[in-house]
Amino acid sequence: GENVEQHPSTLSVQEGDSAVIKCTYSDSASNYFPWYKQELGKRPQLIIDIRSNVGEKKDQRIAVTLNKTAKHFSLHITETQPEDSAVYFCAASTGGSNYKLTFGKGTLLTVNP
Amino acid sequence: KAGVTQTPRYLIKTRGQQVTLSCSPISGHRSVSWYQQTPGQGLQFLFEYFSETQRNKGNFPGRFSGRQFSNSRSEMNVSTLELGDSALYLCASSLALIAGHEQYFGPGTRLTVT
Repeated sequence: GENVEQHPSTLSVQEGDSAVIKCTYSDSASNYFPWYKQELGKRPQLIIDIRSNVGEKKDQRIAVTLNKTAKHFSLHITETQPEDSAVYFCAASTGGSNYKLTFGKGTLLTVNP
Repeated sequence: KAGVTQTPRYLIKTRGQQVTLSCSPISGHRSVSWYQQTPGQGLQFLFEYFSETQRNKGNFPGRFSGRQFSNSRSEMNVSTLELGDSALYLCASSLALIAGHEQYFGPGTRLTVT
């Protein structure tokens, strides 16, 4: 089955710096890659997603890149703010009727003011 | 539109007991997935239901089971509870028939097994 590795497990940055979180996946049939943000004590919420026919997607300070050949995708957060502090999860799905998201183990991002 | 709701929010059970958790999806959503979240393992997929049918199942023992009703509400059951079953159980609902669409998570049920 699919296996998703996520690095780093913890990341500490200064406010205003950029943060990058990387994930690799094992199943070349995976074609949908969402990123979720989970603040302490709250539910995971989708912040951005990308499909395998796209190499990069941006939404304000957040961007995701996908390299299908290398089977890895990354989350980039620019101009980080304290409210970006949370656990971020990447996930992968093979799509179709195989409705199963495989998550990475998460990255605890701390943005220091 | 109301979000995904889960009941109960907190539960304390003893080893060997069984437990049933409930999930009500967003109105109109027919897909419900269940996940187990623990500090060491992150979010692990349990199973997914669509139109009362289980379409996919994760690598959990048979003690974990679920079902979905005609109104799309879903329940999951854990029998013969073990200490290691202590976790946050999250359900998520989605509108789509196929994968690749946003899953909306509920607040979770925190299960503690003593």
